[in-house]
Amino acid sequence: DTAVSQTPKYLVTQMGNDKSIKCEQNLGHDTMYWYKQDSKKFLKIMFSYNNKELIINETVPNRFSPKSPDKAHLNLHINSLELGDSAVYFCASSQIPGVANSPLHFGNGTRLTVT
Amino acid sequence: GQQLNQSPQSMFIQEGEDVSMNCTSSSIFNTWLWYKQDPGEGPVLLIALYKAGELTSNGRLTAQFGITRKDSFLNISASIPSDVGIYFCAGPGSGNTGKLIFGQGTTLQVKP
Repeated sequence: DTAVSQTPKYLVTQMGNDKSIKCEQNLGHDTMYWYKQDSKKFLKIMFSYNNKELIINETVPNRFSPKSPDKAHLNLHINSLELGDSAVYFCASSQIPGVANSPLHFGNGTRLTVT
Repeated sequence: GQQLNQSPQSMFIQEGEDVSMNCTSSSIFNTWLWYKQDPGEGPVLLIALYKAGELTSNGRLTAQFGITRKDSFLNISASIPSDVGIYFCAGPGSGNTGKLIFGQGTTLQVKP
């Protein structure tokens, strides 16, 4: 009965590698997001998609490429991983973007460690 | 750009005590949200505020939408050990895209 699920929960990899994080939501929401939480716990949006269409791209390096095969899935692919990419990445979804009473539902995060 | 400043950054209190934290903004927000993040999990919505001056409760939690629309407060009464976590305030970013701007978080520790 998980609402927003992302895999893997932990990801340890070396610099220069390419990795992907997957996210699925079963809430029937139209909009999905990727947020990054740094070591100081600060949460910052990276991308959002509404019904498979990119809405937000918050000046994220183009090594990060989101892909939404359908409105229930939003995956994040990262090329040429760098040490500074180490963080916790959260997937989230909402019913409708920009509507006040449509708050975000978050997944449990993927802790990425780049060595 | 839009910023939310939360204080205090961290609190260490005794079980049973009341807790108060606040969030201020450099610009007006039309919605204020309060989230809690438990260790190893994603943030979960606690309270949503949609109107200036609004006071809303969720169990032992009470949040207020400041009358100037530039601040919000969260109070927790009679804290218990499971209140431990990080509390974030958040508000909608510009552009009606669903983007949320988050405060830096208040880390709460409760001593039994």
